[in-house]
Parts: sequence; structure tokens; C-alpha cells
Amino acid sequence: EPEVTQTPSHQVTQMGQEVILRCVPISNHLYFYWYRQILGQKVEFLVSFYNNEISEKSEIFDDQFSVERPDGSNFTLKIRSTKLEDSAMYFCASSEGLTRQETQYFGPGTRLLVL
Amino acid sequence: DQQVKQNSPSLSVQEGRISILNCDYTNSMFDYFLWYKKYPAEGPTFLISISSIKDKNEDGRFTVFLNKSAKHLSLHIVPSQPGDSAVYFCAARAGSARQLTFGSGTQLTVLP
Repeated sequence: EPEVTQTPSHQVTQMGQEVILRCVPISNHLYFYWYRQILGQKVEFLVSFYNNEISEKSEIFDDQFSVERPDGSNFTLKIRSTKLEDSAMYFCASSEGLTRQETQYFGPGTRLLVL
Repeated sequence: DQQVKQNSPSLSVQEGRISILNCDYTNSMFDYFLWYKKYPAEGPTFLISISSIKDKNEDGRFTVFLNKSAKHLSLHIVPSQPGDSAVYFCAARAGSARQLTFGSGTQLTVLP
């Protein structure tokens, strides 16, 4: 069964450093998403991406964040200058993009720890 | 922001019995609801969904009920199995937006 994959599974970085989280969405899906879950908190939406541009973004997704689809398979989230509060589990998701009411399929997540 | 609420952080049920997980929402624009299951160190796994034009959707052991007037939905699992032990998240989306708003989750423990 097709699935969303994410690398790395864990990332430790120093405050102020740049990190890039990688995702491979399900191959025929057209919509891609990033969510995050800070420990003990809810899963929160960050951004959605369609047709090589941002479709929606939340207040969390400020100028230090960016997303990119550098090739036909990868979808990346870049955090330019990490802060302690960026420590969280980051989930990538994808959906077919055919209807509004469709399922988003999530990857296993990347645990980011900012020291 | 408490647009989607799961007021029970945990629930324990005996194997073979029914598990009922509840979710309330405040945003009347929500028109599509999903339930996800999450094991530790894994991503959320889709279980079942329901559109606001329906009041019930069933898939095997899982049934979701939607009460729009009460802004309440519930997930019924019957019979419950030990492998169902996980955190269950309710999520909702509104109109043309694709972002999902999640509840805080309910830890279900099914006792053998």
C-alpha cells in the first residue's frame, strides 16, 4: 500500500541553525501538507502546497519557514533559523487533490529537537 | 483555539466491549470530519470520515455518528480489540479550506 515517507526520523540541531525536513508524498497525490505536534499539544496545521505554490498557511508558518518541491517526488520543509520552540514532531501529509472532502495520509513524522 | 475538543483524555474498555470516543466542535463551518488513530512514534493513520450531509458512516467495526445540531460526533468501535489501543484524534475541515483542525486526542486502552 502506498505511504508517505519522511526523513530523517530524528534531527537534533543547535538554535539558529537551518534544518530541512524531507518527505516523499504518495506518488499520484497532488496536495501536500506539513503539520507539527509540540509535545503534549495538538497536531497543528502549518501549510498546504498545490501546483508548486502554497495554497494555505497558518499563523505559525512565518518567514522562517519555507516549503519546496525540488523534484517530482520530494517535498521539503525548511526552517531557516531554528528556535527552541520549534522542537516538535513534524508530519508531512498528502491527498489526491480531486475533491475537497478527501483523506489526508500522514507520514511517520520527523522528531526535531532544537538545543 | 478550541474549535475541536475531545474532553476525555483517556478511556479504558474491556476487550469485546464497545468503545465510544467523543468529539465536540464549535465552528459551524466545519463540514467534513475525520478520525485518525495514532500509535507512539508513528504518524496519524486514517480510520473513517463523515460529511456533514450524513449522520452516520460505517466501516467494519468502526462507526462514526454526527449530530450537527449538537455539534458533536462520536466514534464507536465494536467489538474493541487490544490492538485498538492508541490515541484517537478527531479532525475537521471547513468549506474550501483543506487544513485540518485537530482535537487533543483520547488515549484508548483496550484491556484483554
